[in-house]
Amino acid sequence: DTGVSQNPRHKITKRGQNVTFRCDPISEHNRLYWYRQTLGQGPEFLTYFQNEAQLEKSRLLSDRFSAERPKGSFSTLEIQRTEQGDSAMYLCASSRGTGGDGELFFGEGSRLTVL
Amino acid sequence: GQNIDQPTEMTATEGAIVQINCTYQTSGFNGLFWYQQHAGEAPTFLSYNVLDGLEEKGRFSSFLSRSKGYSYLLLKELQMKDSASYLCAVRDRTGGSYIPTFGRGTSLIVHP
Repeated sequence: DTGVSQNPRHKITKRGQNVTFRCDPISEHNRLYWYRQTLGQGPEFLTYFQNEAQLEKSRLLSDRFSAERPKGSFSTLEIQRTEQGDSAMYLCASSRGTGGDGELFFGEGSRLTVL
Repeated sequence: GQNIDQPTEMTATEGAIVQINCTYQTSGFNGLFWYQQHAGEAPTFLSYNVLDGLEEKGRFSSFLSRSKGYSYLLLKELQMKDSASYLCAVRDRTGGSYIPTFGRGTSLIVHP
């Protein structure tokens, strides 16, 4: 079991640049979630995939954010025209189901710093 | 959506017992999770409750009362390594999807 893998682990970029993060979930998990976390806060939901379908997206999410999960395997999260307020840890999680086995397994996260 | 409330910070002594409370409001409750997160690391799963009552797992126990919108995480025989943030997350089935929403976390400091 290789767990949830995210890369890059750290990204420093200048304001206005585009960044992309990748998440490889646990292979048998068909549910994939993106969260954002800032210091002293809990993870904030961004978007959710079931297989390749993006079923939920936070209403608070700017249209500069887009996510894909082609073929229902890995997922990418792209942020266009980054702003300093986008600086955060971006967490990917996957799960097997929605019952008692619906616990989320998190990756180590991708830390974004926008200068 | 949900409104999840938990204390910001708690302190306790090594070897003691601590209870971290979580209250929530939701229209489509479908389970409550507790996660542990050490500084700079990813959250890791501790417990899951969907029915009322107590779930025990080693030194950790979690309780749920759906009618009161209330849960607690009980940590016994505290160790220094238990110093971490404890996140309460409520899963909601509104809209057909099952999305866990997290509270802001309770930072637990265990001192000798």
